Amino acid sequence: QSVLTQPPSASGTPGQRVPIACSGSSSNIGSNTVNWYQQLPGTAPKLLIYSNNQRPSGVPDRFSGSKSGTSASLAISGLQSEDEAAYYCAAWDDSLKGAVFGGGTQLTVL
Amino acid sequence: EVQLVESGGGLVQPGGSLRLSCAASGFTFSSYEMNWVRQGPGKGLEWVSYISSSGSTIYYADSVKGRFTISRDNAKNSLYLQMDSLRAEDTAVYYCARVGISGTTDFDYWGQGTLVTVSS
Repeated sequence: QSVLTQPPSASGTPGQRVPIACSGSSSNIGSNTVNWYQQLPGTAPKLLIYSNNQRPSGVPDRFSGSKSGTSASLAISGLQSEDEAAYYCAAWDDSLKGAVFGGGTQLTVL
Repeated sequence: EVQLVESGGGLVQPGGSLRLSCAASGFTFSSYEMNWVRQGPGKGLEWVSYISSSGSTIYYADSVKGRFTISRDNAKNSLYLQMDSLRAEDTAVYYCARVGISGTTDFDYWGQGTLVTVSS
């Protein structure tokens, strides 16, 4: 059971906008920034969004992040086939004194 | 170019030990905090351990506390994970990850991972 809660799966058709939610608590998302990772099959995770809503250089602006209270969300607009991957949210947990990840959301492009 | 290259994985029996290494290049290693993150077969990401840039601050996940030891050698640009009393549930790909400018869980670069299999 992951500390951060994500839906196990999501799907959309090319061009659609797909949101992925991440729910936590006051000790993690509620008091720290949220980061999002994309993991393509057989590869290492890649930082997609940091500090709740910032994109690293090279990440398309189709990817956006937001945070409100103890929840965060990743949105992928203009869905493309290459977006098919697993997506993970992460935050520091002040009570556990450690990083916590969501269980991951497998995105399927129909 | 930033590179992180893990090594040291392999097959080990339950109760055994293994030492993982992560060789860093392309950046000033001594200025960055580092982490180990693992992923069991078919499972999600699990944070394992954190070490500050100087090595003075260390944190562990409860699942490995007392069995794993993280360390670093800034002169050798290397990060290590000593894993003792290994269990079947420690079977995973182990990644080293650098903490980026915004800190905490901003893991901006990852290695390719090294597979640890604990089995008799």
